[in-house]
Amino acid sequence: AQTVTQSQPEMSVQEAETVTLSCTYDTSESDYYLFWYKQPPSRQMILVIRQEAYKQQNATENRFSVNFQKAAKSFSLKISDSQLGDAAMYFCAYTSGTYKYIFGTGTRLKVLA
Amino acid sequence: DAGVIQSPRHEVTEMGQEVTLRCKPISGHNSLFWYRQTMMRGLELLIYFNNNVPIDDSGMPEDRFSAKMPNASFSTLKIQPSEPRDSAVYFCASIPFLGTGNTIYFGEGSWLTVV
Repeated sequence: AQTVTQSQPEMSVQEAETVTLSCTYDTSESDYYLFWYKQPPSRQMILVIRQEAYKQQNATENRFSVNFQKAAKSFSLKISDSQLGDAAMYFCAYTSGTYKYIFGTGTRLKVLA
Repeated sequence: DAGVIQSPRHEVTEMGQEVTLRCKPISGHNSLFWYRQTMMRGLELLIYFNNNVPIDDSGMPEDRFSAKMPNASFSTLKIQPSEPRDSAVYFCASIPFLGTGNTIYFGEGSWLTVV
C-alpha cells in the first residue's frame, strides 16, 4: 500500500532564512504525482506545489521549491526567504492518478521574527 | 473562478442533533470528496463521488453518517444523531477528472463541535 511519511512534527525557522521540510513515500507505481499543501490557522488547505514523477526537473513556485529524489522516494520542500505568513501546517500528499490521495501527518512550521 | 464552497463554516450542536454540511464543488469538476480532519487521525477520506455517483464510501465511520450528491453542483454530508466524537473539521474537495494526478481543491472546511 502507498504511504506518505513526514518525520518532522514541528520545525522552526528564522524570518528570511531557508528551511527544508522532509517527506518520504512508498509506492510500487512508476507514474504518480506529489503535492505539498499548506494549512494556515484558518484551516483551508492550499496547494503550494505539485510534482509529476515522470518529470526530472524539480518543481518551483516563487520561494518554494522541491527536491524530488525518485529513487530514494523522497520529496522535500524548501522554503527560501521565510516570511511570517509561511507559518502553517504543511502536508505532503501522493496520488497515482486514482481518486485516492494519501496525505502525510503534517509538519508544523513556526517562523520566528 | 469560485473555489469549493462549504457551509456552514462553524457549527456547534448538542449531542443527538442532526447536522447537515453542504458543499458546492468547482464548476466543471466531476469528482467530489468529503474528508474529515482530527488531531488523532489526521485527514481521512469519508466518501468519494464521481459524476454524482458514490464510488467509495468505505471511510464513512458509521450508519449515522450519510452523504448525497443530487446534482453536479451540490453535495451534503449528514450526521444523525451527532456525537461528541464527531467533532472535527470536515472538508469538501473536488478535482476536474481522474487519471492525471489533478490538484485536489479544498473548500475552507466546516468546523463542527458537538457538545
